[in-house]
Amino acid sequence: GAVVSQHPSWVICKSGTSVKIECRSLDFQATTMFWYRQFPKQSLMLMATSNEGSKATYEQGVEKDKFLINHASLTLSTLTVTSAHPEDSSFYICSARDPSGNTGELFFGEGSRLTVL
Amino acid sequence: QQQVKQSPQSLIVQKGGISIINCAYENTAFDYFPWYQQFPGKGPALLIAIRPDVSEKKEGRFTISFNKSAKQFSLHIMDSQPGDSATYFCAASPNSGYALNFGKGTSLLVTP
Repeated sequence: GAVVSQHPSWVICKSGTSVKIECRSLDFQATTMFWYRQFPKQSLMLMATSNEGSKATYEQGVEKDKFLINHASLTLSTLTVTSAHPEDSSFYICSARDPSGNTGELFFGEGSRLTVL
Repeated sequence: QQQVKQSPQSLIVQKGGISIINCAYENTAFDYFPWYQQFPGKGPALLIAIRPDVSEKKEGRFTISFNKSAKQFSLHIMDSQPGDSATYFCAASPNSGYALNFGKGTSLLVTP
């Protein structure tokens, strides 16, 4: 199946710094990617929909100035957590759908675990 | 607001037994219902998915049963194995082009 890659898989940063997480579709082009956040032992919560060449659409309650999303190419979307604080520590997962496939399957990256000290 | 309700929260099944996880939804616009398996520290992986035009779909040991009138769907894992121990999420979306709404997840433990 299609592959979605995330980098880094884990990152530790100091409070107040910014962290960038990359999400790449390795063998297909994705006009839309989705960013989810998952707290320990909890479900995946949609943060935003990333659209190639246009602004991301954020879910209610998600601060767009805090979580900057850029989808500059058909294979790359980035999530930047700005001025990170300990409460931003979480597991961030991106996903994308291969438009050439006919199953509608949403492929997920391996996730990026952010720990803010 | 949780658009997909999932139960039970946790489940313990003996090896060889049947694991059953249930989900319910309210939004009649949903027409794509996948199940995902997630191991600790990993992203979710698609197990099996169904659309409302069929009432059941089977792939290997995994079966989805779908009841459109009741707005419920369930995952059955036959001959459960210790390697099936993971967290399972049901999800739904209006169609395959939209983001998924996830249930809260079920932690499955299959004992030897």
